[in-house]
Amino acid sequence: EDKVVQSPLSLVVHEGDTVTLNCSYEVTNFRSLLWYKQEKKAPTFLFMLTSSGIEKKSGRLSSILDKKELFSILNITATQTGDSAVYLCAVEARRAGGTSYGKLTFGQGTILTVHP
Amino acid sequence: DTGVSQNPRHKITKRGQNVTFRCDPISEHNRLYWYRQTLGQGPEFLTYFQNEAQLEKSRLLSDRFSAERPKGSFSTLEIQRTEQGDSAMYLCASRPPGASNEKLFFGSGTQLSVL
Repeated sequence: EDKVVQSPLSLVVHEGDTVTLNCSYEVTNFRSLLWYKQEKKAPTFLFMLTSSGIEKKSGRLSSILDKKELFSILNITATQTGDSAVYLCAVEARRAGGTSYGKLTFGQGTILTVHP
Repeated sequence: DTGVSQNPRHKITKRGQNVTFRCDPISEHNRLYWYRQTLGQGPEFLTYFQNEAQLEKSRLLSDRFSAERPKGSFSTLEIQRTEQGDSAMYLCASRPPGASNEKLFFGSGTQLSVL
């Protein structure tokens, strides 16, 4: 059974700090790893990673995947109060034949709180 | 609003009652998913539709749960004889056709409270 473990479970920082969120996974026939941000209700997409060592970057957020060690990190630099949210990591497996259908296995999330 | 729409946003019911939730995916998204999320946990996969065909159901989906997508557009999730353990956020997500499009777009969810 596919498994995703995120750490830490919660993190409290002050504005301007840099944070690193961790995600380790076990999945048969890995296809992709995704990061989502969940503020109130709907998780919103941040990154999708499929290849090791290639950093994805969007503003102050960046993420990288290590397929050998089976983990990913999400970095947020110069944090702002608006970054306060639950950050979810999810993996998708490849089905027989190389296709997938979007079934994601999520970790339990990291609750990030940024104080002014 | 062209996002994934879910109704109702909140539902409070008494144990033993039946409830039905609706999800309207993004137009032209042929793939639709239902997830369940409890407090402090990540979303858990429940079921998947491609067009009107239900292609996978999780073990989590007991026989009290049924989902439909009759015309390949909106979907409904019904829970019969609700139990307190059914209290959760029920999230719907959709995805466009094409193998390269991995991103799921989530709705805001229906928060179910079973008293």
